[in-house]
Amino acid sequence: DAKTTQPPSMDCAEGRAANLPCNHSTISGNEYVYWYRQIHSQGPQYIIHGLKNNETNEMASLIITEDRKSSTLILPHATLRDTAVYYCIVRPGFSNQFYFGTGTSLTVIP
Amino acid sequence: KAGVTQTPRYLIKTRGQQVTLSCSPISGHRSVSWYQQTPGQGLQFLFEYFSETQRNKGNFPGRFSGRQFSNSRSEMNVSTLELGDSALYLCASSLGHRDQETQYFGPGTRLLVL
Repeated sequence: DAKTTQPPSMDCAEGRAANLPCNHSTISGNEYVYWYRQIHSQGPQYIIHGLKNNETNEMASLIITEDRKSSTLILPHATLRDTAVYYCIVRPGFSNQFYFGTGTSLTVIP
Repeated sequence: KAGVTQTPRYLIKTRGQQVTLSCSPISGHRSVSWYQQTPGQGLQFLFEYFSETQRNKGNFPGRFSGRQFSNSRSEMNVSTLELGDSALYLCASSLGHRDQETQYFGPGTRLLVL
């Protein structure tokens, strides 16, 4: 199963774009990239997912490189409420067995 | 549409006891997965149930078990509690179609074992 690598922590100024990178160099062709975030021990919140095309929703944008070995989650205008741990997950085939790594702790600074 | 609900939200038990946690999925969702989150091990997959059958299982001892009812509600049971079982237990539900599945998490049950 493909594993992911994320920086342990990042800071972002309020109102600026937060760009969170994720490396998944062993991803397979049918594996989706999912992003979740967890705010202070609440349940993880779904953000976005994609296969190979860039995706955008009301929360964020997901940019996946052409070789699919890495991706970037973009929060276009970070607010203090975006302070959370962000998890990048490669969904193993058709399984719901998500592997959460250590994630990136994002702190949005006023 | 109501989200995933978990009961109870907080629980205190002593070593050797057993505990049962409950999860009600989003209406129409047939898959329920359980996760354990601890400071040392992070979020770890316990098991998944679909149509009252266990479909996937993580690497946890047999003291951890679960079941799913015909209305898709799920329970997990931990017997002979150990101090290390203190954790946030999360359940997540999804449609169960497996393709492009998005799991939606509940708020969790925080278990403290004394």
